[in-house]
Amino acid sequence: DAKTTQPPSMDCAEGRAANLPCNHSTISGNEYVYWYRQIHSQGPQYIIHGLKNNETNEMASLIITEDRKSSTLILPHATLRDTAVYYCIVRSYTGTASKLTFGTGTRLQVTL
Amino acid sequence: DVKVTQSSRYLVKRTGEKVFLECVQDMDHENMFWYRQDPGLGLRLIYFSYDVKMKEKGDIPEGYSVSREKKERFSLILESASTNQTSMYLCASSLWGRHDNYGYTFGSGTRLTVV
Repeated sequence: DAKTTQPPSMDCAEGRAANLPCNHSTISGNEYVYWYRQIHSQGPQYIIHGLKNNETNEMASLIITEDRKSSTLILPHATLRDTAVYYCIVRSYTGTASKLTFGTGTRLQVTL
Repeated sequence: DVKVTQSSRYLVKRTGEKVFLECVQDMDHENMFWYRQDPGLGLRLIYFSYDVKMKEKGDIPEGYSVSREKKERFSLILESASTNQTSMYLCASSLWGRHDNYGYTFGSGTRLTVV
């Protein structure tokens, strides 16, 4: 399985962009990068995913480097409600199913 | 919206009891998963299932079993609960496909305490 490395915690001022980095240097060519977040006492919530191109949706943008060894999740205008643990995950395959292996993530604290 | 429902939000059981955690999804997803989450350890995969009556071990299957008799329901069973199984248990589901790019939908979790 490809492993990911994230900083344990980050702070961001409300209204500013939050840039969350992730290293996945052993990623294989057909493995997608997923981002989830978990707000306290809730199940993880899907944010975005990508293979090699940059992606954007209503929640965030995902920037993947050309060599695919790292990526950055961007929350363009962070709010207090974005305070959560953010997980960067590389999907792996086993037999007929794929699975997501979660690490310990980055705890993002958005402050006034 | 896809909905994954876990039967209990909080559960307290005694050591040695047989415990059933139930999970139901309403979007006809093939894949279902059980994770446990502990402070400092993140989410760890216990078991998953890619079809009815099919199951595969995850990273920490010891002390657990699962049952998938119907596509929409995936049960986690603690045969004889122990205090080290006190944890938050999360169920998830997703569509199937070897080269899929489908995300997971998670339930809200069951916080199990074994005393």
